[in-house]
Amino acid sequence: NAGVTQTPKFQVLKTGQSMTLQCAQDMNHNSMYWYRQDPGMGLRLIYYSASEGTTDKGEVPNGYNVSRLNKREFSLRLESAAPSQTSVYFCASSDVGVYGYTFGSGTRLTVV
Amino acid sequence: QKEVEQNSGPLSVPEGAIASLNCTYSDRGSQSFFWYRQYSGKSPELIMFIYSNGDKEDGRFTAQLNKASQYVSLLIRDSQPSDSATYLCAVNIYSGGGADGLTFGKGTHLIIQP
Repeated sequence: NAGVTQTPKFQVLKTGQSMTLQCAQDMNHNSMYWYRQDPGMGLRLIYYSASEGTTDKGEVPNGYNVSRLNKREFSLRLESAAPSQTSVYFCASSDVGVYGYTFGSGTRLTVV
Repeated sequence: QKEVEQNSGPLSVPEGAIASLNCTYSDRGSQSFFWYRQYSGKSPELIMFIYSNGDKEDGRFTAQLNKASQYVSLLIRDSQPSDSATYLCAVNIYSGGGADGLTFGKGTHLIIQP
């Protein structure tokens, strides 16, 4: 049971570079989420996809784009990375009737 | 704007005692409430959820919900050093999973002293 798999686990980017964070779940969940976690700020929702084919902005969407590639995969793209995007990024999945959200192991991103 | 408030701590509790963690939320329409435990450098893991007013017990953990007061708490009985972690309170306006995601508090750092 892999659950939610995120890649990469660590990444260092230079300001202005772009990258895509990958997330895949094998629990057949309809809903997927991207959060960022910063010291003193807690977990904040960036984007979510309530079902395949839909995406919506969360609390802190600026500087990010997402793609729900299929039911399993939900990617997060940074088009032009900024130092303010240094954070730990978590992907999660859930579904109606599922009690709780399952998180991936996280991606630690540093932008220099 | 949905808000979830927690005391950041650290909350220091002797081994074997009861640890009490508290959380308040602003959206009166909230329907489901979750407690996650997060060890340093790890991802959050769900330990309890509660939907109805009152208490819900699972082993050493008890979640308490008071919707009228917009208050949810987590009690950990017989605290162990392995319970030392950050505890995140999370709230959703839906009664089940899915939809627009959870709103998290900033977490309470719990330290169990041997």
